[in-house]
Amino acid sequence: AQSVAQPEDQVNVAEGNPLTVKCTYSVSGNPYLFWYVQYPNRGLQFLLKYITGDNLVKGSYGFEAEFNKSQTSFHLKKPSALVSDSALYFCAVSPGGGADGLTFGKGTHLIIQP
Amino acid sequence: NAGVTQTPKFQVLKTGQSMTLQCAQDMNHEYMSWYRQDPGMGLRLIHYSVGAGITDQGEVPNGYNVSRSTTEDFPLRLLSAAPSQTSVYFCASRLRERNTEAFFGQGTRLTVV
Repeated sequence: AQSVAQPEDQVNVAEGNPLTVKCTYSVSGNPYLFWYVQYPNRGLQFLLKYITGDNLVKGSYGFEAEFNKSQTSFHLKKPSALVSDSALYFCAVSPGGGADGLTFGKGTHLIIQP
Repeated sequence: NAGVTQTPKFQVLKTGQSMTLQCAQDMNHEYMSWYRQDPGMGLRLIHYSVGAGITDQGEVPNGYNVSRSTTEDFPLRLLSAAPSQTSVYFCASRLRERNTEAFFGQGTRLTVV
């Protein structure tokens, strides 16, 4: 069975500082990894994905993620945080074998302080 | 382009009542799925469908039924609502390929009293 862990319930960062939101995963076979963001009272929005190839993936709103196979990690990063980045962030892994349904981590609240 | 549309946005039910949460997508996606979101637990998969006429159970299927008669629609039925089903429900759709991202609806906030 596959699983995703987000070890931090909340991450606090000052505006303008770099941010990292951590994610580790466990899958059999090649991992297909995703980051989603959820703003209050909204659905989830896709940020970026890792399928294969470069270990540094660039996505929406200036976010990027670093895939590390040996550490089974897929951390979300941004060089300079904005107050508007404050939201709930989810890491997820896609199943194989013709099934559907992402396996999500529990989510990390990102709070950017002015 | 509407994307994934869920109705209603809010609903209050009494214990034992039944209801159907509607989900429709206009992107011709083969795969559709239902999740529930509870505080501190992330999103958990209830049921999914890989095409019209094909459905399967996810992680938390008990108390819910689904059907997929068309590519566009994937309703979720609560047979006899219980307080434990108080949650926010999200519908999602995506293309068949595993590397494609899912598109989510805006959610239905359900309270069972």
